[in-house]
Amino acid sequence: GQNIDQPTEMTATEGAIVQINCTYQTSGFNGLFWYQQHAGEAPTFLSYNVLDGLEEKGRFSSFLSRSKGYSYLLLKELQMKDSASYLCAVRDSNYQLIWGAGTKLIIKP
Amino acid sequence: DVKVTQSSRYLVKRTGEKVFLECVQDMDHENMFWYRQDPGLGLRLIYFSYDVKMKEKGDIPEGYSVSREKKERFSLILESASTNQTSMYLCASSLTPEVTGELFFGEGSRLTVL
Repeated sequence: GQNIDQPTEMTATEGAIVQINCTYQTSGFNGLFWYQQHAGEAPTFLSYNVLDGLEEKGRFSSFLSRSKGYSYLLLKELQMKDSASYLCAVRDSNYQLIWGAGTKLIIKP
Repeated sequence: DVKVTQSSRYLVKRTGEKVFLECVQDMDHENMFWYRQDPGLGLRLIYFSYDVKMKEKGDIPEGYSVSREKKERFSLILESASTNQTSMYLCASSLTPEVTGELFFGEGSRLTVL
């Protein structure tokens, strides 16, 4: 079956760095997405990786290793507003998205 | 600014009632999707549509139907609501997958079935 694994919850300190991991087993691969979802709000797009390597976008970076079925989202200089759930999703060979359950990130002052 | 609008943020219905959830997008996107989101689970696809009057079943279509009469509007219908359909329902739209295919989500409709 198809499966996306990510930690349920993580805690980090304001100003620090946190890495949220995502491992996947899917039928084919056509890209990996990260979305941010604040409590009670809609998910919003953060990043897209289809080739191996690191994609940097301001304080957020996303890494992909297709051979390992592994990605991470790196958040630097954490701010209180980064407290949210982070959703990992993989697009399979049929261009369907398979979603992880999300990682709730708690930022402490 | 791109926008996906869902008709109701919160609904409370009784078992057996018919429920309509409407979604409108203003981005001229071909693709529209209905997901449900439950605690501890990833988003689960109910139905999707790649064109007007076209619909495809997702992973959990049982108990649901959809309608897409116009490109910008995609409706989710629960013919006879049941308590296990209490959930957050998210509508999304996207361009074709070949163009990244990122999803734009509505604010969600939280449905409680009593």
